Amino acid sequence: GENVEQHPSTLSVQEGDSAVIKCTYSDSASNYFPWYKQELGKRPQLIIDIRSNVGEKKDQRIAVTLNKTAKHFSLHITETQPEDSAVYFCAARDTGGFKTIFGAGTRLFVKA
Amino acid sequence: DTGVSQDPRHKITKRGQNVTFRCDPISEHNRLYWYRQTLGQGPEFLTYFQNEAQLEKSRLLSDRFSAERPKGSFSTLEIQRTEQGDSAMYLCASMSGAGDEQFFGPGTRLTVL
Repeated sequence: GENVEQHPSTLSVQEGDSAVIKCTYSDSASNYFPWYKQELGKRPQLIIDIRSNVGEKKDQRIAVTLNKTAKHFSLHITETQPEDSAVYFCAARDTGGFKTIFGAGTRLFVKA
Repeated sequence: DTGVSQDPRHKITKRGQNVTFRCDPISEHNRLYWYRQTLGQGPEFLTYFQNEAQLEKSRLLSDRFSAERPKGSFSTLEIQRTEQGDSAMYLCASMSGAGDEQFFGPGTRLTVL
């Protein structure tokens, strides 16, 4: 069945450093890849997304890259700040547009 | 608040009881999703509605789970004969027909004793 694997499960960085989270997906029909940030006790919120016809997308300190051939996509956060500390989830959605499969999450700690 | 809302926010029940949760999506959104999230895991897809039609249901969803969206607006998720393994956060999300982003509700945290 469809699967999204996410690594690492925990990531600790110093404030100002970069953080990279990687995901792989199994369903070649996936064409939409969102990233969500979830703070403790709160709902997941979309931070950036990318469609399969694009290789890279950037929004201020956040960027996402997609390698459709290898079925890999990654989240890059530069100049990390303590408020970036949260759990980040990658996800993949199929062409039909309804079934979204999430990764298990990466807990990011940004140390001041 | 014009976002997705869910009720109740917390539910504690005894094993074997039935529970029902409600989700009110963003008003113009015709797509509605239910997910289950356990501690340390990502949201797990349960089911999807487009308007009032239930178009997809996860194989993980046992016969004890049922969802409805009778008028294409709010949705309910019922769990019959709850088990301790049903304890989780149940998240609802909605999406417009034209957009990509799913907007999540605050979730209903279920604890089965």
